[in-house]
Formats: sequence, structure tokens, C-alpha cells
Amino acid sequence: KNEVEQSPQNLTAQEGEFITINCSYSVGISALHWLQQHPGGGIVSLFMLSSGKKKHGRLIATINIQEKHSSLHITASHPRDSAVYICAAPYRDDKIIFGKGTRLHILP
Amino acid sequence: SQTIHQWPATLVQPVGSPLSLECTVEGTSNPNLYWYRQAAGRGLQLLFYSVGIGQISSEVPQNLSASRPQDRQFILSSKKLLLSDSGFYLCAWSVHARQGIDFGEGSWLTVV
Repeated sequence: KNEVEQSPQNLTAQEGEFITINCSYSVGISALHWLQQHPGGGIVSLFMLSSGKKKHGRLIATINIQEKHSSLHITASHPRDSAVYICAAPYRDDKIIFGKGTRLHILP
Repeated sequence: SQTIHQWPATLVQPVGSPLSLECTVEGTSNPNLYWYRQAAGRGLQLLFYSVGIGQISSEVPQNLSASRPQDRQFILSSKKLLLSDSGFYLCAWSVHARQGIDFGEGSWLTVV
């Protein structure tokens, strides 16, 4: 069993829909990282959060450290949001465990 | 500000040929450096990480090796490529994993 689990694995939605991607982890961590990988392969950091909620534009990330669960939400989704979204759990100064990613496809 | 670069961006190599992917980080010192591989349709697999010059930890047995000849330089190598080495390779760095990680642009390797 992977120590970081994401759901769903694949998600197709219509433009404008509210999107939720979930991440559960079994390792003891103090923060969680959300990343976005575009079709070309490059990976960019979206959020690093240790409690509560963070918002950046149409993206919202929440985390509950006690329940070991985090969610990434996209409001008013757009085709340009189509990408793979990855959650990552750093559990030592030098180690990071990645989820397998959620492939999101937004239809125009 | 810190930046990370890796090259080449794409590579097509015959089976049995050598490989060298290079990664450099600017704007920081003594970073943790990582090499990841992402096979088609799969998640990120950690290949090597380094916490300092000459210090390399290998996560999985494989046909690849890594070296860190300078503080901000990380090289992924192979003496003889296999078909199964094809994939997308990403270099990354962090100060401390808990503070986040930044990735290079990635290198697409196709072994033919």
C-alpha cells in the first residue's frame, strides 16, 4: 500500500465545474505539498501547507493533519487546468513520498 | 532567487549507449538533490538523492548511477542503456524536504 494515496486517479469534467482531488497519507508529517504537472512534463509547486487552508486564485488547498487528509479544489474549472495533480508528503529532511497523481481533463 | 536547470530536454539513444543527464542549481548552497524517474502513466520514482558532495543514496537497484562532483551539480549516468530506461527524468532540489521541493524542466529519454 502506497503511503500517499490520491483519488480519483482520473477525472474528466466540464468547464466551469468545481473540482476536488483528495490525498490521504499514512506517514507522520507536518506539511503537505501539492504539485501540478503539465502535459509537457514540467512540475510546478502549487501549495505547501501544514494546517487549515490556502488559496491561490481559483485553487484552494485544505489539510487536516490529525485525519491525515488533504484536498485540492479548483473553482470554475477551465481547460487550461488540465494537468496531473500530485500530492507529496515530506517526512524527513531529505525524503519525500509522492502520490501517483490525479489526471484531470477539463472539457470546453 | 533559486533556479534549477537540467539538460538535455530530450534524448534518443540506442540500446547499449552511455547516458549523461546533468542538473545544476543556482542561488543556494548545500541543497538536497534528487533524481526521479516517471515511466509512462506512473508516478514519480526516486532514483537517487544526495545531501552533499560525493554523498549519494540509491533507492532502487538499477542500471543507472549518480554523482555529485560539485555542491550544486548532480549527474545521472549509465554506461549501457536498456530499453527499460526510457522515461521522463526529473532533477529536483530542496533545502529541507519539509520546506518543499522544486523540479527541473525534465528530460525525456527514449532508448531505441
